[in-house]
Amino acid sequence: DQQVKQNSPSLSVQEGRISILNCDYTNSMFDYFLWYKKYPAEGPTFLISISSIKDKNEDGRFTVFLNKSAKHLSLHIVPSQPGDSAVYFCAATLSYSGGGADGLTFGKGTHLIIQP
Amino acid sequence: DVKVTQSSRYLVKRTGEKVFLECVQDMDHENMFWYRQDPGLGLRLIYFSYDVKMKEKGDIPEGYSVSREKKERFSLILESASTNQTSMYLCASSQVGLSTDTQYFGPGTRLTVL
Repeated sequence: DQQVKQNSPSLSVQEGRISILNCDYTNSMFDYFLWYKKYPAEGPTFLISISSIKDKNEDGRFTVFLNKSAKHLSLHIVPSQPGDSAVYFCAATLSYSGGGADGLTFGKGTHLIIQP
Repeated sequence: DVKVTQSSRYLVKRTGEKVFLECVQDMDHENMFWYRQDPGLGLRLIYFSYDVKMKEKGDIPEGYSVSREKKERFSLILESASTNQTSMYLCASSQVGLSTDTQYFGPGTRLTVL
């Protein structure tokens, strides 16, 4: 059973417009969420995160919104740039597991294509 | 900057071979992870380790084992490679403590099993 879902395998957006990537989760115990960006032939790189005590976190052109009641989060990129073309993975985890650490649970990814 | 390196970018092996994938991090991180990435399936956790000689199974440990003899090195072992283990393998590391610590990924090893 997939606990983190990204239902759009791909998304095409025009340069300069807003890109919105969506992610849903089923495990209500998840309380920390991350977005990773991945270029072909490279490892994922951390982009932005949000704790469940917040509903919004912003970092430059990137904003993540969290709706806990809907178990939904979204990543907004404004304005979209050609270099944003990549696969974006949503990930979730349990922050209480301190001492050790659990791996992240990833969605399947959304391939964002920014068109000139 | 955190650096996570993986021993090979591309690897081709034959069915039944024993395969070692090596990962080294240079930031003194306690936690290390192995994932595999497959089209349409995203990243899936194979094994992780939160200390030397400690290991925990992830979501898909079958057919794999791991070794962590030194803090900076985490090895993934395919005892007898099979074609369904053809995949992109990604290693990651993070500091000790809460799992909210950012995981830093290596560049990946593209393994093909013939």
